[in-house]
Amino acid sequence: KNEVEQSPQNLTAQEGEFITINCSYSVGISALHWLQQHPGGGIVSLFMLSSGKKKHGRLIATINIQEKHSSLHITASHPRDSAVYICAVGSRGGSEKLVFGKGTKLTVNP
Amino acid sequence: NAGVMQNPRHLVRRRGQEARLRCSPMKGHSHVYWYRQLPEEGLKFMVYLQKENIIDESGMPKERFSAEFPKEGPSILRIQQVVRGDSAAYFCASSQAGGSSYNEQFFGPGTRLTVL
Repeated sequence: KNEVEQSPQNLTAQEGEFITINCSYSVGISALHWLQQHPGGGIVSLFMLSSGKKKHGRLIATINIQEKHSSLHITASHPRDSAVYICAVGSRGGSEKLVFGKGTKLTVNP
Repeated sequence: NAGVMQNPRHLVRRRGQEARLRCSPMKGHSHVYWYRQLPEEGLKFMVYLQKENIIDESGMPKERFSAEFPKEGPSILRIQQVVRGDSAAYFCASSQAGGSSYNEQFFGPGTRLTVL
C-alpha cells in the first residue's frame, strides 16, 4: 500500500461543476501539499497545510489530521483547470523529502 | 524575482553517454531537492542537498547517479552511462530552509531526459 493514496485516478467534469479530489495518507506528517501539473509542464504548488482549511480563489484545501485525509475542491470548474493534481506529504520526524500520490488527472469539458 | 531554474529543459542522450542536469534555486534558497517522474508514474524523491552537503540521498540509485550543490553555482544531477530506463522528467525544488512543514518547496520546470 502506498503511503499516499489519491482518488479518483481520473476525473471528467463539465464546466461549472464542483470538483473534489481526495488524498489519504498512512504516515505521520508535518505538512501536506497540493500540486498542479499541466501536460508536459512544470509543477506549481497550490497549497501547503498542516491543519484546517485554506482558500485561494476557486480552490479550497482541507485537512483532517485525525483521519489522515485531505481534500482539494475546485468551485465553478473551468477547462483551464484541466491538469494533474498531486497530493504530497512531508513525513514527521524524517527527512525533508516529499512523498507523492500518483496524481488525479482532471479534464474539464466546455 | 526568478523562480527555480532548470536547464536544459530537454536533453537527448544515447545509451552510455553522460547526462548533466542543472538547477538554480530561487534567490535566498539554500536547500535543493531532486525528484524523478518516470513515464506514467508518480514523482519520487531522489536527493536533498544543502550548500556543499548531501543531507539525504536515500532515493538515489546506487550506481551511476550523483548530485552536488557547490558553494557557488547551480546544483548538478549527474547520470553516467545512461540507459533507456533513465528516460524521465527530473524536477528540482528549492526551499528557504529545511523542514517541509515550515518551508514550502518551489519547483522548477523540469528537465525531460530522453535516452535513445
